[in-house]
Amino acid sequence: EVQLQESGPGLVKPSQSLSLTCSVTGYSITSNYWGWIRKFPGNKMEWMGYISYSGSTSYNPSLKSRISITRDTSKNQFFLQLNSVTTEDTATYYCARGEPPQYWGQGVMVTVSS
Amino acid sequence: NTVMTQSPTSMFISVGDRVTMNCKASQNVGTNVDWYQQKTGQSPKLLIYGASNRYTGVPDRFTGSGSGTDFTLTISNMQAEDLAVYYCLQYNYNPDTFGAGTKLELK
Repeated sequence: EVQLQESGPGLVKPSQSLSLTCSVTGYSITSNYWGWIRKFPGNKMEWMGYISYSGSTSYNPSLKSRISITRDTSKNQFFLQLNSVTTEDTATYYCARGEPPQYWGQGVMVTVSS
Repeated sequence: NTVMTQSPTSMFISVGDRVTMNCKASQNVGTNVDWYQQKTGQSPKLLIYGASNRYTGVPDRFTGSGSGTDFTLTISNMQAEDLAVYYCLQYNYNPDTFGAGTKLELK
């Protein structure tokens, strides 16, 4: 059974970079698509982007200048980096398998605050 | 971006009710719409894919329908365990976009 687990700092200062890891067990990330989605306070959801089985990426244009999704196939992990964060990036961040997202991790709450 | 307008924002329901919620796309998305259920403290779970296909393990009281710009999720015989926020998602156009959610609460 596939499992996804997000990890990373729960608090990031404004202007810094947010870095999260999604650790996948039970399924190889060299198959399928692997994405990041976030849920803001107040329930709004935003699709951020994905990395494919081949390593190609697709990003939400609203984030394109700040976002990077990479992977380490030897560890079966993929990563989110979001640069120059502001308080508006405060959200719960989810990693997921599939495009569109089919199976989601439990999520990690990230607060951007000084 | 394609805007997905969900209605209603919330519904107060009773166990056993038939519940219908809607999602309207700002442009034709074909049948490229999924529905998710998110219970408090949990991650979203896929219910319906391709507008009308029930995902593995989803009870048959959940039914999705629609195409083009208008989509519906129906829960027949509402159960207490179905209390959650429901989201639609279109993936016909980049970026994927979600509706704002419909929250089901008990009367």
